[in-house]
Amino acid sequence: EAGVAQSPRYKIIEKRQSVAFWCNPISGHATLYWYQQILGQGPKLLIQFQNNGVVDDSQLPKDRFSAERLKGVDSTLKIQPAKLEDSAVYLCASSTQGAAETQYFGPGTRLLVL
Amino acid sequence: AQKITQTQPGMFVQEKEAVTLDCTYDTSDQSYGLFWYKQPSSGEMIFLIYQGSYDEQNATEGRYSLNFQKARKSANLVISASQLGDSAMYFCAMREGYNTDKLIFGTGTRLQVFP
Repeated sequence: EAGVAQSPRYKIIEKRQSVAFWCNPISGHATLYWYQQILGQGPKLLIQFQNNGVVDDSQLPKDRFSAERLKGVDSTLKIQPAKLEDSAVYLCASSTQGAAETQYFGPGTRLLVL
Repeated sequence: AQKITQTQPGMFVQEKEAVTLDCTYDTSDQSYGLFWYKQPSSGEMIFLIYQGSYDEQNATEGRYSLNFQKARKSANLVISASQLGDSAMYFCAMREGYNTDKLIFGTGTRLQVFP
């Protein structure tokens, strides 16, 4: 079974530019999560989708971050405009439907904002 | 207040020895779940083990076991017979309540296994 796929793996941009990350969850997983992991910290949930609906986006900086999961499968996370403090690893995870299920993570996208 | 506390920023262990990574948590919920994830230098988070708050027995998965002490609110990870490939960051995480997926992570412990 294929795992969670993410691209790109690395991205370097200048501040005020925009960037987008893509995630394809494990086949059949209804729930998809985007996490931000700043160096030296644990991951922090940005947004959670159940199929193509948003369940929790309380920690998403909505003035600059947006995310969508149009067909209930893959998802895109966008930052526009980027700030220096957005430098982090962006992790995508997925799980089967149900609150008790384990989340499985992708390899992450390492973003550096200069 | 921090929900998940991992007080060991780094740990060293010799190959084939056992090591314990500490994790304490804070919650007022009766129902919660505790997870351990491994993060190698490649970046992905690998699920290791899960303990539910109502589980009476400590969880075990191969060389990993979770020492769950509910009264002390601790959920320490024990790795037996350490291998060089165990060198990585280890994160403890908690899911509060039953009807939520949200995981709250600690700051992690870097484990280094030496020959």
